[in-house]
Amino acid sequence: QKEVEQDPGPLSVPEGAIVSLNCTYSNSAFQYFMWYRQYSRKGPELLMYTYSSGNKEDGRFTAQVDKSSKYISLFIRDSQPSDSATYLCAMTGNQFYFGTGTSLTVIP
Amino acid sequence: GAVVSQHPSWVICKSGTSVKIECRSLDFQATTMFWYRQFPKQSLMLMATSNEGSKATYEQGVEKDKFLINHASLTLSTLTVTSAHPEDSSFYICSAASGTSGSTETQYFGPGTRLLVL
Repeated sequence: QKEVEQDPGPLSVPEGAIVSLNCTYSNSAFQYFMWYRQYSRKGPELLMYTYSSGNKEDGRFTAQVDKSSKYISLFIRDSQPSDSATYLCAMTGNQFYFGTGTSLTVIP
Repeated sequence: GAVVSQHPSWVICKSGTSVKIECRSLDFQATTMFWYRQFPKQSLMLMATSNEGSKATYEQGVEKDKFLINHASLTLSTLTVTSAHPEDSSFYICSAASGTSGSTETQYFGPGTRLLVL
């Protein structure tokens, strides 16, 4: 079983839709959870960073961590064409683990 | 804050030559730096992890003599692709993390270096 599972998509949504991106993991020792956004031919950019369970909101983005279910989510409200990118989840205890990334396209 | 730069952003070289890529953390001290390569439409593949002042730890299947990593200071790591061949053409991305030994909170990525070996 992989440490981190992420549906690669691709995911296409109309502009203005709410997007839900998810990852599951197997290691209960993970403490820090991150979401990165990567545009084509660019390095990943840190979007959200959370510690332990709960929600964190930043503008149109909400990161959610459920440690009991070993499940993390990233919600994007009022999605825009500029949100079209690959979204990577990542988590760490003593080592980093990345999901494979979900490709998102927001259609105008 | 937390800016990581990479240089060069792209490089084209002849087969058999060596290429050096620099990764710098501009506004924080990075206890650990990571090197990844990424093929088109694929996920990041971790190549090696390096801590300042010590030898890099390479992932299985990555040739340490082929990909030389030096982490000379808390703000600079270099990756040298030695005797590059066309199959080494890829997008190389570094990242930097701060934190106490054995615990790193998050990684900040550089913009990547596109290498094309002719």
